[in-house]
Amino acid sequence: EPEVTQTPSHQVTQMGQEVILRCVPISNHLYFYWYRQILGQKVEFLVSFYNNEISEKSEIFDDQFSVERPDGSNFTLKIRSTKLEDSAMYFCASSEEHRELIGGGKGYTFGSGTRLTVV
Amino acid sequence: LAKTTQPISMDSYEGQEVNITCSHNNIATNDYITWYQQFPSQGPRFIIQGYKTKVTNEVASLFIPADRKSSTLSLPRVSLSDTAVYYCLVGPLSGGSYIPTFGRGTSLIVHP
Repeated sequence: EPEVTQTPSHQVTQMGQEVILRCVPISNHLYFYWYRQILGQKVEFLVSFYNNEISEKSEIFDDQFSVERPDGSNFTLKIRSTKLEDSAMYFCASSEEHRELIGGGKGYTFGSGTRLTVV
Repeated sequence: LAKTTQPISMDSYEGQEVNITCSHNNIATNDYITWYQQFPSQGPRFIIQGYKTKVTNEVASLFIPADRKSSTLSLPRVSLSDTAVYYCLVGPLSGGSYIPTFGRGTSLIVHP
């Protein structure tokens, strides 16, 4: 079964440092997403990406965050200057069609996540 | 955006059938209902999706009454490995801006 791959699985960084979280979506998927989950909290939507541009983003996704699809396979999330409150699990997801999270029959495929710890 | 309400937690025993109900009183005509499962430190995993009546796959069944104001995820003969958080999501397939939202979900614990 095709998988969404995320690297690294764990990342520890100092406050104020930049981090880049990497994702390889499923090859024939066209829509890409980043979510995060603070320990014990809900899964929160950050951003969706299609056709090399952001299609939707949440209030969490401020100027500190950026996404990029630098080549045909990778999808990255960059946090420019990390804060303690950025510590969370970050999940990448992809789908064949937009809004397969709701409707479309197959849903989103999520990766196993990157645990980011900001110290 | 339709708001969903689920029980915070449920307990069951191996071999039992588990039914988790989600309330979505203000569901819109073009909204679908989707359920996800999440194990600790893993991303959510799609379980099942429906619009009305009953949907069944190899993992679960989804029952949606005629008024669609609620839905019930049914897990037959659960095992310890079904211990997870289960999320009910409601939203449109198309039209307008939509930000997918997970709620708190239902934490299911299956006991031996």
